Amino acid sequence: GAGVSQSPSNKVTEKGKDVELRCDPISGHTALYWYRQSLGQGLEFLIYFQGNSAPDKSGLPSDRFSAERTGGSVSTLTIQRTQQEDSAVYLCASSLGLGARTDTQYFGPGTRLTVL
Amino acid sequence: KQEVTQIPAALSVPEGENLVLNCSFTDSAIYNLQWFRQDPGKGLTSLLLIQSSQREQTSGRLNASLDKSSGRSTLYIAASQPGDSATYLCAVRPVWDSNYQLIWGAGTKLIIKP
Repeated sequence: GAGVSQSPSNKVTEKGKDVELRCDPISGHTALYWYRQSLGQGLEFLIYFQGNSAPDKSGLPSDRFSAERTGGSVSTLTIQRTQQEDSAVYLCASSLGLGARTDTQYFGPGTRLTVL
Repeated sequence: KQEVTQIPAALSVPEGENLVLNCSFTDSAIYNLQWFRQDPGKGLTSLLLIQSSQREQTSGRLNASLDKSSGRSTLYIAASQPGDSATYLCAVRPVWDSNYQLIWGAGTKLIIKP
């Protein structure tokens, strides 16, 4: 089956605009994760979903960030009033479940966001 | 707080050599450790996952070891090839974290010279 897909692959936006990033996980994977990778830095965890539920949103950088997942499948990460510091590669991953033996995380190609 | 360190930050070796990448972590309370590779412009590819109860995992020319008590893991690459050039990341899943997140090292950028 297909891997994790993300769209768009690249997004250039102006400061202050809203953007929406999409993630399609591997079919049947119940867990979904969002990370971001800023230039020259490691991966930063943002949020995870088990099914459609995100139990803890404290990893989101600010209240301009929100995420949702519908139908236990597609997830969207929305950034409102974008700032230049939001520029990064946003990576989505999915895993079969959350158990230690099933949580190999499979990553999408990422969305490169540039805020001018 | 769990911290993951990878040394060296960059490594360049001639084709055909065997090499070892290192990963260390500060808190031994982990469920598992994963090694990934990241190619420019592409996402992350999972290479090996070692459960906390395991000592090593092998896949082809790759062998990853885990010494949880000392907080160390190594990724051994045998007979390196130019196609192995990439950034290699290790990540641990802490027991204490309810978000099921991975804690990441900064990566080792590997260049295999033909």
